[in-house]
Amino acid sequence: KNQVEQSPQSLIILEGKNCTLQCNYTVSPFSNLRWYKQDTGRGPVSLTIMTFSENTKSNGRYTATLDADTKQSSLHITASQLSDSASYICVASTLYGQNFVFGPGTRLSVLP
Amino acid sequence: DTAVSQTPKYLVTQMGNDKSIKCEQNLGHDTMYWYKQDSKKFLKIMFSYNNKELIINETVPNRFSPKSPDKAHLNLHINSLELGDSAVYFCASSQRTGPNSNQPQHFGDGTRLSIL
Repeated sequence: KNQVEQSPQSLIILEGKNCTLQCNYTVSPFSNLRWYKQDTGRGPVSLTIMTFSENTKSNGRYTATLDADTKQSSLHITASQLSDSASYICVASTLYGQNFVFGPGTRLSVLP
Repeated sequence: DTAVSQTPKYLVTQMGNDKSIKCEQNLGHDTMYWYKQDSKKFLKIMFSYNNKELIINETVPNRFSPKSPDKAHLNLHINSLELGDSAVYFCASSQRTGPNSNQPQHFGDGTRLSIL
């Protein structure tokens, strides 16, 4: 069964601190792994996309890693800002990148 | 300037009614999608269209019927609405460039459907 799990479910950190979110996936055949940020009341916004041959990809203060052997990915946020408060969703795609399996998301709260 | 726009933003209606949600993208993308986000915040793909042709139709009741008049529009019509249809429905689009496409999806801000 195609499935994506994320941990932790929620996370609270202080502004300026770093954090790492985890994602485990079991999808086949695997195409690529995506991270999205979803602000409350808005649609998801793409942060990174990695194919099975890529180990890491950065987008500003966001750095995603991918281990296709262990089927794990992480999203590292550096020097967090209040605006980073959102849900972060991990998505594994299959079927030549046209079928998407979403994780439940990690709810991040950044406090001043 | 909105890339993917959905209307209406909120939709409150009674059980048994028929309603439509409209979606338009001005990005020139070939592929459009409909997703449902339930109360637990899981996003699940419902439909995927490429150049007006249905690619993916997940296990969705046939009360849901997508319609794509052109590649910039993908509307969702729902017949005989049920309580379980209450959710946020997201439209998205992407540029499909072939197999193993890794183009990002651009999402609208969702339509919040509440069934009374």
